[in-house]
Amino acid sequence: EADIYQTPRYLVIGTGKKITLECSQTMGHDKMYWYQQDPGMELHLIHYSYGVNSTEKGDLSSESTVSRIRTEHFPLTLESARPSHTSQYLCAISTGGGGYTFGSGTRLTVV
Amino acid sequence: AQSVTQPDIHITVSEGASLELRCNYSYGATPYLFWYVQSPGQGLQLLLKYFSGDTLVQGIKGFEAEFKRSQSSFNLRKPSVHWSDAAEYFCALNTGFQKLVFGTGTRLLVSP
Repeated sequence: EADIYQTPRYLVIGTGKKITLECSQTMGHDKMYWYQQDPGMELHLIHYSYGVNSTEKGDLSSESTVSRIRTEHFPLTLESARPSHTSQYLCAISTGGGGYTFGSGTRLTVV
Repeated sequence: AQSVTQPDIHITVSEGASLELRCNYSYGATPYLFWYVQSPGQGLQLLLKYFSGDTLVQGIKGFEAEFKRSQSSFNLRKPSVHWSDAAEYFCALNTGFQKLVFGTGTRLLVSP
């Protein structure tokens, strides 16, 4: 079973602050994904990466950015947080066979 | 374009009763199909998946799902629900391009 870690689990931050949500994995998988989950549960793909130096925007437009400098890490950054960014952010890796393994998520609240 | 529909936003089932959660998909070929479960404040855990072959697939925690091509459905079932099954359930589709498309989810409530 691949291990995938997200930190922090919960974050409350003021408007205008810069934040970085961390996502890391231990098994060297190439494909990684960020999903935004609204309070009503729906999941939207906002970023994905198929390997080092590869990043793409997902189906839902997001003001966040991502980087993939190392295989193990896929951090998501918001340069200036706003209340509209309040959501849960889920990171996932593709472990083969079309399925994903998800991290525990980061619940972000911008006040 | 591919899509997944979960028509039930909420379902309440009595403990010990049977469960069926509905999932319909839209895709021109046979997709890879998945069911995930999400407990409050947690990430998603894979329950089961269908790629090809036997249309009835078994998963973890006593769940099973049946793929019906004629109905474009992949419904999740469990013969006897436990209180610990209360969670959100997501059906998802992968068309082979390594991106999962999720349904909107169904919240399962279990009554005593």
